[in-house]
Amino acid sequence: QQQVKQSPQSLIVQKGGISIINCAYENTAFDYFPWYQQFPGKGPALLIAIRPDVSEKKEGRFTISFNKSAKQFSLHIMDSQPGDSATYFCAASTGGFKTIFGAGTRLFVKA
Amino acid sequence: NAGVTQTPKFRILKIGQSMTLQCTQDMNHNYMYWYRQDPGMGLKLIYYSVGAGITDKGEVPNGYNVSRSTTEDFPLRLELAAPSQTSVYFCASRELAGSDTQYFGPGTRLTVL
Repeated sequence: QQQVKQSPQSLIVQKGGISIINCAYENTAFDYFPWYQQFPGKGPALLIAIRPDVSEKKEGRFTISFNKSAKQFSLHIMDSQPGDSATYFCAASTGGFKTIFGAGTRLFVKA
Repeated sequence: NAGVTQTPKFRILKIGQSMTLQCTQDMNHNYMYWYRQDPGMGLKLIYYSVGAGITDKGEVPNGYNVSRSTTEDFPLRLELAAPSQTSVYFCASRELAGSDTQYFGPGTRLTVL
């Protein structure tokens, strides 16, 4: 019940395309859903986050869609760029305290 | 601000050796965390601390120990290193109230042979 399931494991997208990464959770007590971006050799960094009282949050080319009833949320990267090539982790936590991470998605954007 | 710093960046240990991974943050954050990252497995919480003198186990604490004597420092101790502890270790911190964002260090890549 503490798991966060993330898919796909890897993703190849053409430059200018839309990248979509999906996550699902079971624990309805989760109240904070961040996405972290990690470049090779670096630590993860917060990209965008959402709370379950809204269904969508957009920051620039990055959008989180949240479906509370289905217990699913997804990251959409519009107009994907080669510089977006990285590993993306979804996560969930209760009170932002102990965070459960998905397994990660390796995104490669072809120029 | 340097943020979260970790030392060393790389380390090779022999089976049975011990070592301490250092983590320091200069943001006056109360919460600190240690994660390990294995390929295709995401990040697993090893130990966490909610303040100086207070620590607790995460998902995968076996084979590790921590201490938190100051707000800034949160070292992770490996006793009797085993090949299963080969991983990349990340330290992170978070402020007590307000944003739930965790700030990660650059990681330590540990190999146990």
